[in-house]
Amino acid sequence: DAMVIQNPRYQVTQFGKPVTLSCSQTLNHNVMYWYQQKSSQAPKLLFHYYDKDFNNEADTPDNFQSRRPNTSFCFLDIRSPGLGDAAMYLCATSRDREAGAKDTQYFGPGTRLTVL
Amino acid sequence: LAKTTQPISMDSYEGQEVNITCSHNNIATNDYITWYQQFPSQGPRFIIQGYKTKVTNEVASLFIPADRKSSTLSLPRVSLSDTAVYYCLVGDRVKYSGAGSYQLTFGKGTKLSVIP
Repeated sequence: DAMVIQNPRYQVTQFGKPVTLSCSQTLNHNVMYWYQQKSSQAPKLLFHYYDKDFNNEADTPDNFQSRRPNTSFCFLDIRSPGLGDAAMYLCATSRDREAGAKDTQYFGPGTRLTVL
Repeated sequence: LAKTTQPISMDSYEGQEVNITCSHNNIATNDYITWYQQFPSQGPRFIIQGYKTKVTNEVASLFIPADRKSSTLSLPRVSLSDTAVYYCLVGDRVKYSGAGSYQLTFGKGTKLSVIP
């Protein structure tokens, strides 16, 4: 019963070639998040959508963009991938976005991006 | 910004109880404490959440002292399959203004190795 689905699981792209990662959810949650996780590091929040409202983290590079065409789907676009963008990209959802981070996040399995 | 501090790694033998402590000295009044488990090449998975005192579920217990400046995740009788990274996550004051700052930051995590 997959709840947060990420495709593809593994993605290889070339330096500078745009790439899109996708995430879908069956939970009907309001909030969808994108995290970047590099090897042996903690997940780092890039941005999130609260419904259609996009919220970018202050230190997220402009090279990273996101789209959420409907409740179920969210995309991560990397406009010009560099070698330093190779990482696991995690999508997560939560029902709401209460202060105090009370809402449980449900993570997908991640997409491992390789940049050649 | 609420920061968390956890041991980088811990070793335990199978069948033992494991306690992982997280320090969060700057926790705010309405912040919750959440623990996630992450296996290699998978997304984090919710384990347990609490606000104060003690919380127990089928997987773990969470002990939170009265001052809430720390919390301890307790895993009873660990098995090899509990080998994973455990993240303590403390909610932060949420700012929704413009570009940034949901300020939802995972700590560095504790790598638990269970030894046969």
